[in-house]
Amino acid sequence: QSVLTQPPSASGTPGQRVTISCSGSSSNIGSNTVNWYQQLPGTAPKLLIYSNNQRPSGVPDRFSGSKSGTSASLAISGLQSEDEADYYCAAWDDSWRNVVFGGGTKLTVL
Amino acid sequence: EVQLVESGGGLVQPGGSLRLSCAASGFTFSSYSMNWVRQAPGKGLEWVSYISSSSSTIYYADSVKGRFTISRDNAKNSLYLQMNSLRAEDTAVYYCARDLASDTACFDYWGQGTLVTVSS
Repeated sequence: QSVLTQPPSASGTPGQRVTISCSGSSSNIGSNTVNWYQQLPGTAPKLLIYSNNQRPSGVPDRFSGSKSGTSASLAISGLQSEDEADYYCAAWDDSWRNVVFGGGTKLTVL
Repeated sequence: EVQLVESGGGLVQPGGSLRLSCAASGFTFSSYSMNWVRQAPGKGLEWVSYISSSSSTIYYADSVKGRFTISRDNAKNSLYLQMNSLRAEDTAVYYCARDLASDTACFDYWGQGTLVTVSS
């Protein structure tokens, strides 16, 4: 049982816009920034979004993040086949003095 | 180019010990906090441990507290994870990850991972 809650799966067709939610609490998302990671099959995770809505250099602007209260979302517009991957949200938790991850969302491009 | 290369994984019996290493290059290692994150086969990511740049602050996940010890050698640009009293549930790929900023869960670079299998 992960501290942050994500839907286990999401899907979309090429060109569509999909969103992935991440729900937490006041001790993590409610009081700290949220980061998103993309993990392509068989590879290490990669930082996709940091500080709620910032993209590292090299990440396409098709990827965007937002946060409101104790929830956050990752949006992918203009979906492409290469976006098929697992996506994880993460935040610092002030109560646990821990990093907490969501359980991950497997994105399928139909 | 930033590189993190883990080593030391392998097959170990329950109750055994293993020491993982992470060799860092391409950046000023002594300026960054570091973490270990693991992923059990077919499962999600689980944060394991954090160490600040000077080793003054260390955190552990409850699941490994008292059994695992994180350390670093800034002169050797290396991060370590000493794992004792290993259990089957510790079986996972272990990644080292650089912290973009402390206490933010923001890991901007990851290694390729090293597999630890705990089995008799």
